[in-house]
Amino acid sequence: KAGVTQTPRYLIKTRGQQVTLSCSPISGHRSVSWYQQTPGQGLQFLFEYFSETQRNKGNFPGRFSGRQFSNSRSEMNVSTLELGDSALYLCASSLRIMNTEAFFGQGTRLTVV
Amino acid sequence: DQQVKQNSPSLSVQEGRISILNCDYTNSMFDYFLWYKKYPAEGPTFLISISSIKDKNEDGRFTVFLNKSAKHLSLHIVPSQPGDSAVYFCAASARNSGTASKLTFGTGTRLQVTL
Repeated sequence: KAGVTQTPRYLIKTRGQQVTLSCSPISGHRSVSWYQQTPGQGLQFLFEYFSETQRNKGNFPGRFSGRQFSNSRSEMNVSTLELGDSALYLCASSLRIMNTEAFFGQGTRLTVV
Repeated sequence: DQQVKQNSPSLSVQEGRISILNCDYTNSMFDYFLWYKKYPAEGPTFLISISSIKDKNEDGRFTVFLNKSAKHLSLHIVPSQPGDSAVYFCAASARNSGTASKLTFGTGTRLQVTL
């Protein structure tokens, strides 16, 4: 079956702009989590959605938000982009909210200039 | 505050020998640990996991050891193969704290298996 699909794969934005990233989980998976990967910090948890509700949130400013649709697809939005938001954004899906064996997408590489 | 630490950013091992990747954690609430492998331009893929009620879990060439008293875990790959060259991330979860879904990752160790 198809894996986790993230679009777009690459994105270049200007400081101050906003961006929306998309994630389609594995069919049947209802939990979607988002992570930010930067060279010095590893993978940092952003938030998790399950059944269209945010269930967990990491330590990121309010400029980072997300949502989940009834078909479990999820979007992540970053407003007022800063240079430091440049990173690989990874989406992970799992069957249940207990995300112990999450399946990751290839990520969206965001560059803010 | 880095709750999961991988202090070796890189490791080079000869093909056929053992690779040992180490991970330390500070949060005593963590009760489930995972290793992920990541190739460039791909997302991390799940390798192996271990619950805190165990001290060892084995899957083929991969074995994870957990030392709860030392808050330390390690991944052993035997024998190492060139295809194992990747970045390995250690991750931890506090399943009993209500935040089971939040995986806390280390910063990764880049393993290079040489011929």
